[in-house]
Parts: sequence; C-alpha cells; structure tokens
Amino acid sequence: GENVEQHPSTLSVQEGDSAVIKCTYSDSASNYFPWYKQELGKRPQLIIDIRSNVGEKKDQRIAVTLNKTAKHFSLHITETQPEDSAVYFCAASMTGNQFYFGTGTSLTVIP
Amino acid sequence: SQTIHQWPATLVQPVGSPLSLECTVEGTSNPNLYWYRQAAGRGLQLLFYSVGIGQISSEVPQNLSASRPQDRQFILSSKKLLLSDSGFYLCAWSMGQLNTEAFFGQGTRLTVV
Repeated sequence: GENVEQHPSTLSVQEGDSAVIKCTYSDSASNYFPWYKQELGKRPQLIIDIRSNVGEKKDQRIAVTLNKTAKHFSLHITETQPEDSAVYFCAASMTGNQFYFGTGTSLTVIP
Repeated sequence: SQTIHQWPATLVQPVGSPLSLECTVEGTSNPNLYWYRQAAGRGLQLLFYSVGIGQISSEVPQNLSASRPQDRQFILSSKKLLLSDSGFYLCAWSMGQLNTEAFFGQGTRLTVV
C-alpha cells in the first residue's frame, strides 16, 4: 500500500510566524491529498485538500503545495495563532477507497 | 446532512475480554467505511476499510476483525483483547468517489488493563 512520511513530528513557532509541514508519498497513483487538524481528544477534521491536477491551493492563512514529480506536498500556515496549536496529519488517497495518513505533526504556537 | 456516530466514547476492558465497537452513518448511502487506530503520540493507522456490505479489507494482520452487517454500520471486534490493543479508535466514512474527504467519528478511547 501507500507509504506517507511526515516531518517534523513536533514544531514550535512564535505567534505570528509561519509553520511548514512536509509530507512525501510513495505511490505515484495517489491523486488526492487532504490535511487534517486534530485538537486534543477530538476527531481529526479536514482543513484543506489538494488534487493532483493542481499545484497549489490557498484558503486564508493556510496553503498547500503539491509536487507530483517529487511526490511531496506541504502545508503552510502563515501568521500563526495560539488556536492553531494541534496535531496536523497529511494523507494520500489513490482511489478514494483508502486514505493513508502520515504520523502527524504536533504544532505549538507560543504566544 | 450526513452524520457519523461512534460509541462508546471510552472503554476500559481487561486483557482477554471481547470487544465490540460500533459505528453508524446517517444521511448517505453506500459510503466507504474505515477503522483507524491511533496509538499514543502516533499517527492514524488504517485497520480496515469497506466499500460495501460484507466487503472488508484488512490493512494489517492483527487481533481485530471488522464486519459490515448493514450498509451504514461498521463494527470492530475482538475475541480476546491484548494490552497492545489499547489506543484511540476512529471510525470514518467517505463518499466512495474519487477525491472526496473522509469524515471521522468522535473516537473511542480503549484501555486494556
């Protein structure tokens, strides 16, 4: 199956700074890449996604980039706020029937 | 609108006891259904997924099994729990079409003692 690697595992930034989380995937057939945010003790929720026919997508302070050739995609959060503190997961899906997740990044935004 | 229900929210079970976690989806038909396990401080490991009634695919060999007796019901079971089965179990569903997100249930915190 697909193998998704995610880095870093932990990330601390000062409020207002940017945060970048990177993921790589192994199967070139993967064509859908969602990002989830999980607050402590809660369910993961989708924050942004990107499809393989797009190189970049932005939603307010959050952006995702995709490099299909290199098989990696990244999450960018600008102007970080304390409420951005959470665990973030990337995922890859090739058929819509299976979602493979990275190991997660624990982001802490320091006020 | 679609909703997903998962229960119980927390569960403490002794080693060797059976397990049954249930998940149901409302407001859609023929969804793809998933069971994930999240160990403490780790990522989401796909355990099982189902594209239809009675159709179960297992991602990893383990002490658990899954069943889908009805279109929108997904059950995770074990005959005898191990300590290593402890974790946060999440049920999820997706539309089953390409490029659509997965929606998660609230999760079950299982502690095997």
